Amino acid sequence: NAGVTQTPKFQVLKTGQSMTLQCAQDMNHEYMSWYRQDPGMGLRLIHYSVGAGITDQGEVPNGYNVSRSTTEDFPLRLLSAAPSQTSVYFCASSRLDTYYEQYFGPGTRLTVT
Amino acid sequence: AQSVTQLDSQVPVFEEAPVELRCNYSSSVSVYLFWYVQYPNQGLQLLLKYLSGSTLVESINGFEAEFNKSQTSFHLRKPSVHISDTAEYFCAVLPTGTASKLTFGTGTRLQVTL
Repeated sequence: NAGVTQTPKFQVLKTGQSMTLQCAQDMNHEYMSWYRQDPGMGLRLIHYSVGAGITDQGEVPNGYNVSRSTTEDFPLRLLSAAPSQTSVYFCASSRLDTYYEQYFGPGTRLTVT
Repeated sequence: AQSVTQLDSQVPVFEEAPVELRCNYSSSVSVYLFWYVQYPNQGLQLLLKYLSGSTLVESINGFEAEFNKSQTSFHLRKPSVHISDTAEYFCAVLPTGTASKLTFGTGTRLQVTL
């Protein structure tokens, strides 16, 4: 049982490049979400999903796209990276009936130059 | 909407000393309360949570937090810290019934030294 996994661990992009951050969980959790962590700001919700085919925006969705084609995977796409997207990104998941028990992945550190 | 305030961005403490990390929250609805810990270069781990019942909750590694509804606080305490407790601690609130509204404080860096 690997829990929540994220790839890559580190990534450097140039402004305007695109990329996808991967998130997978093997706990059959319905709920998955993406957060970004910036110094002095805690974690802020980007997008979330309550099941395959269902996604919604969080607090800071601009510049990011998501889709959920399977229960296990919830990729986060940056279509045109900007320096303001330099951050540490965390994926989290939970069961819907125990939504208060959210499990976090190890994070992806992204730098946009 | 809800918000979480962690007034102390850094707390330096000597090993074996007691520590308190403060957390205050604001919400117009009922909330669940959490403390998460983030060790260097790692993700967040749930340290303890308050859902209902006894207002004092404990973790397996000696931390405890007390929910105080009148003061809207959920301070984290440990009577004797260890070097290995050095980490960043985040307080968070979640309105009951809504998985997507988990709101974090800005974090408190606990630095334990000899």
